[in-house]
Amino acid sequence: NAGVTQTPKFRVLKTGQSMTLLCAQDMNHEYMYWYRQDPGMGLRLIHYSVGEGTTAKGEVPDGYNVSRLKKQNFLLGLESAAPSQTSVYFCASSVRDGLYYEQYFGPGTRLTVT
Amino acid sequence: GEDVEQSLFLSVREGDSSVINCTYTDSSSTYLYWYKQEPGAGLQLLTYIFSNMDMKQDQRLTVLLNKKDKHLSLRIADTQTGDSAIYFCAANSGGYQKVTFGTGTKLQVIP
Repeated sequence: NAGVTQTPKFRVLKTGQSMTLLCAQDMNHEYMYWYRQDPGMGLRLIHYSVGEGTTAKGEVPDGYNVSRLKKQNFLLGLESAAPSQTSVYFCASSVRDGLYYEQYFGPGTRLTVT
Repeated sequence: GEDVEQSLFLSVREGDSSVINCTYTDSSSTYLYWYKQEPGAGLQLLTYIFSNMDMKQDQRLTVLLNKKDKHLSLRIADTQTGDSAIYFCAANSGGYQKVTFGTGTKLQVIP
């Protein structure tokens, strides 16, 4: 049981390049999330998904797209990277029991855009 | 939407108690959480409290909730160097399928 895994762990992009971050979970969770973490700003939700084939915008969705074609995978795409997207990106999946959500986090992807 | 605030930094001596504070804005929040992030890692759930409780104790951890003031605290008794980490407060609002995180409090434990 690997939990939540993220690929890659580190990446350096030039401005304007594109990339996809992959998140996978083996816990059969319905809910998945992408966050970015920046110093002094905590975690900000980019996009989330409440089930296979569904996605929704979070607080800071601009410049990112997502897809959830399979229940276990949640992909985050940057079509044209900008220096403002330099951050640590965390994926999480969640079990839900009524209004109780326990989130399980991946180890993070550190992205630098030059 | 929900807004969750925390102080950014706390320094304590090993063996002392640590108290990390958090305020939130949505009075309909039903669950409040504390997550711990160790260096270079993702967040892990430490404990949580349901909104109809005032206090929850779990070994060295005590969570206090003041619903009237929308104030949450995490007390760590006998703080150890292994407790050095960033602690995030989080809250969900009724009807929302997501959780709002605070900015995180970096706890430094001095030997």
